[in-house]
Amino acid sequence: DSGVTQTPKHLITATGQRVTLRCSPRSGDLSVYWYQQSLDQGLQFLIQYYNGEERAKGNILERFSAQQFPDLHSELNLSSLELGDSALYFCASSPRGLDEQFFGPGTRLTVL
Amino acid sequence: LAKTTQPISMDSYEGQEVNITCSHNNIATNDYITWYQQFPSQGPRFIIQGYKTKVTNEVASLFIPADRKSSTLSLPRVSLSDTAVYYCLVGPNSGYSTLTFGKGTMLLVSP
Repeated sequence: DSGVTQTPKHLITATGQRVTLRCSPRSGDLSVYWYQQSLDQGLQFLIQYYNGEERAKGNILERFSAQQFPDLHSELNLSSLELGDSALYFCASSPRGLDEQFFGPGTRLTVL
Repeated sequence: LAKTTQPISMDSYEGQEVNITCSHNNIATNDYITWYQQFPSQGPRFIIQGYKTKVTNEVASLFIPADRKSSTLSLPRVSLSDTAVYYCLVGPNSGYSTLTFGKGTMLLVSP
């Protein structure tokens, strides 16, 4: 158990819909990262937040957005969903000043 | 970020030592080498990190030659539960760095 929690574990929805994935980092960790893992694309970095502010952006689509709240939990919003958005979405957190990231169990999103 | 190259897959048997080599010819002076392990449908897990020479922890060793253009993850006496994908990553240890995962190496350990 990494100490990072993600909800929900599974999510099934239809194309065109919008969903929100939630992540609670390890206690004390200020950085939160979001990753997408699909069979054909592998593990891709989406976005990073540090203490409430966006720190780095990766291959995140414009239909996706994220934020980190004052209590440090983070949400990833996916809108206008397409079949290709079906994937495992991981959240990771890290303590300030250290590079090791602790990954959550992931949310499996299925778009039908 | 430095690009890494590692074998797509490796096979081993229980009890053997496994060495997975990663090439990173364009590694920068302030880059560290980090290895993660991932089981199916789980998030990656940090294994080990190093800058030069040799680093050892309770699960693995990391060997880095003087030119730092490659590194080798060594798993002693593997078991079936070591079957997983192993990722080599290279980047600055700034605390704000992002991780770029390649395809990784799929290690299959057989009885």
